[in-house]
Formats: sequence, structure tokens, C-alpha cells
Amino acid sequence: KAGVTQTPRYLIKTRGQQVTLSCSPISGHRSVSWYQQTPGQGLQFLFEYFSETQRNKGNFPGRFSGRQFSNSRSEMNVSTLELGDSALYLCASSLGNTIYFGEGSWLTVV
Amino acid sequence: AQSVTQLGSHVSVSEGALVLLRCNYSSSVPPYLFWYVQYPNQGLQLLLKYTSAATLVKGINGFEAEFKKSETSFHLTKPSAHMSDAAEYFCAVSYDGGSQGNLIFGKGTKLSVKP
Repeated sequence: KAGVTQTPRYLIKTRGQQVTLSCSPISGHRSVSWYQQTPGQGLQFLFEYFSETQRNKGNFPGRFSGRQFSNSRSEMNVSTLELGDSALYLCASSLGNTIYFGEGSWLTVV
Repeated sequence: AQSVTQLGSHVSVSEGALVLLRCNYSSSVPPYLFWYVQYPNQGLQLLLKYTSAATLVKGINGFEAEFKKSETSFHLTKPSAHMSDAAEYFCAVSYDGGSQGNLIFGKGTKLSVKP
């Protein structure tokens, strides 16, 4: 059974640009959530989607957005990138009360 | 605000020694509790979870954790450390009941295992 798949794994962007990250959940999982991991702030919840609807949102500015498609795949977008957005972005999918994480997308903003 | 505290950002043990990683949560309402492990340049792997069933939870790789409501703790233990256990460990809680995507994480504890 395939795990949570995130693409791209690594990317470098310039300040002011925007980026889109993709996440394919485990087959059958309808909930997808996103987290940002940085050395300073640790792991922070961004948002969660269930059946194409945002169910929870963390404390991040509006530059961070996401969506979920009918096949449960999810994308997150960060606009007007700042240096501080450099981080590992982790996607997780869940069924019931168990959450499984992907390998993450490493974003570097220069 | 709810929070998770992991005591000790770095823990070092000798191979074969007991591993004890501490986690305390802040709430009078028992949450769902999780331990995840992260190896370098990888995502998070679920070690074990507590969801109000048995207070002693057994996980993968020989790890286990005990939920103690009176101490609001969920410490992770392993009787005998192995070199392959060297990684960063995260304790996490969820208070959302059925909405399990919103986890609050501790700052993590890096475990080093000396030969």
C-alpha cells in the first residue's frame, strides 16, 4: 500500500515568488493536513482538509493557502515568498485516529 | 493554550541502556497522544498512539509509552537502545476528537546512542 506522496521533494525559490506543493494521500484517506517544520519553530499545523473542505486552520498568514480535490489529493500554495518560509513542508493523511506523514517537501527561499 | 512539553532537547544513552523520553501535555481533558520518530531528511513515522484504551501502549521497534492522567504524561521508553534508534522523537497531541489532522507537537528530543 503506497504511503503519502509529496512532490517536489526539493525546490529553491526566490523571494517574492510563489510555490505550489502537492500531496497524494494514502488510498482511501479523505483527510489531508499540512505542517511546516523549521529549526526555530518546530512543527506547526497549517491546515486540514476533509472531503474538499478546509476543516481546521493554523495560525499562518493568508499567503498560505491550500485546497483538496475530489480524489483527496491536496495542494498548498505560498505566495510572495519570504526567507522565513524556508522549511520542510509535511503532508499527512489520516483515516480514523491515525495520521501518516509523507517524506516532505524541502523549500529553500533565497 | 494547549501545549506539549518534551523535557530534554538532547538525550544520549549507551547501546543496550534504557531509553526514556519525556512528554507532558497541558490539559485536564485526556487527549489523543502520539509519538513520532524522524530520521535525518525523512518525514515522520508513527511509533505509537494512545486513544483512551489501554494506558500502556506498545509500538513499533520495541518502544512503548504509558499514559498517566494524574501526571499528564506520556513518556516513551525502550528497555534496550540500539544504534538504529538514533533519531529525533516528537510527542504530539490531538484534542479534536474525530478531527485528527490538527496535531500539536512538542519541540522534539534528539536521541543519540553511543556504542
